[in-house]
Amino acid sequence: ELKVEQNPLFLSMQEGKNYTIYCNYSTTSDRLYWYRQDPGKSLESLFVLLSNGAVKQEGRLMASLDTKARLSTLHITAAVHDLSATYFCAVKETSGSRLTFGEGTQLTVNP
Amino acid sequence: AAGVIQSPRHLIKEKRETATLKCYPIPRHDTVYWYQQGPGQDPQFLISFYEKMQSDKGSIPDRFSAQQFSDYHSELNMSSLELGDSALYFCASSHLAGNTIYFGEGSWLTVV
Repeated sequence: ELKVEQNPLFLSMQEGKNYTIYCNYSTTSDRLYWYRQDPGKSLESLFVLLSNGAVKQEGRLMASLDTKARLSTLHITAAVHDLSATYFCAVKETSGSRLTFGEGTQLTVNP
Repeated sequence: AAGVIQSPRHLIKEKRETATLKCYPIPRHDTVYWYQQGPGQDPQFLISFYEKMQSDKGSIPDRFSAQQFSDYHSELNMSSLELGDSALYFCASSHLAGNTIYFGEGSWLTVV
């Protein structure tokens, strides 16, 4: 059974600081996703990572994938308050169509 | 751009009642997914359809059933509702050849 673990689960940071969220998974995968969720809202797609060494950046967020280590990172650069949300990584196994989500990282950016 | 449309957005049901959630995927998307998210939890996969055929099944209770219709919309039917079924239910869609899975706004189900 695929296990997806994120850490930290809670992250409180100051504006302007950098930080990284980690996502480990237990079995072979061909796609890894990062989503953002505001309280009670939908899941907003941030990145889809397909291959080993993939790196994608959008604004202050950068995601990377190391398939050999079964590890993805979401790096936040110079955080701003608007980034406060819960961030989920989700892994699709090589077979099947389902996504298995991590527990989520609740990020709070303080002024 | 068109998004995944879910209805109703909110519903309140009593225990042992039945509820039906509807999902209209993004046009030309051939795969539909249903997820359940309890308070403070991560989304849990329920079931998916590809070209109107069930393609994958997760931890969906026997009291729940789903189908995808000829116009590609999907419905999740939940019977004999229990308090623990109270959650946010997401529908998502994708094009099999594409990479991104898009989620709808969700349907809030409260069972009292």
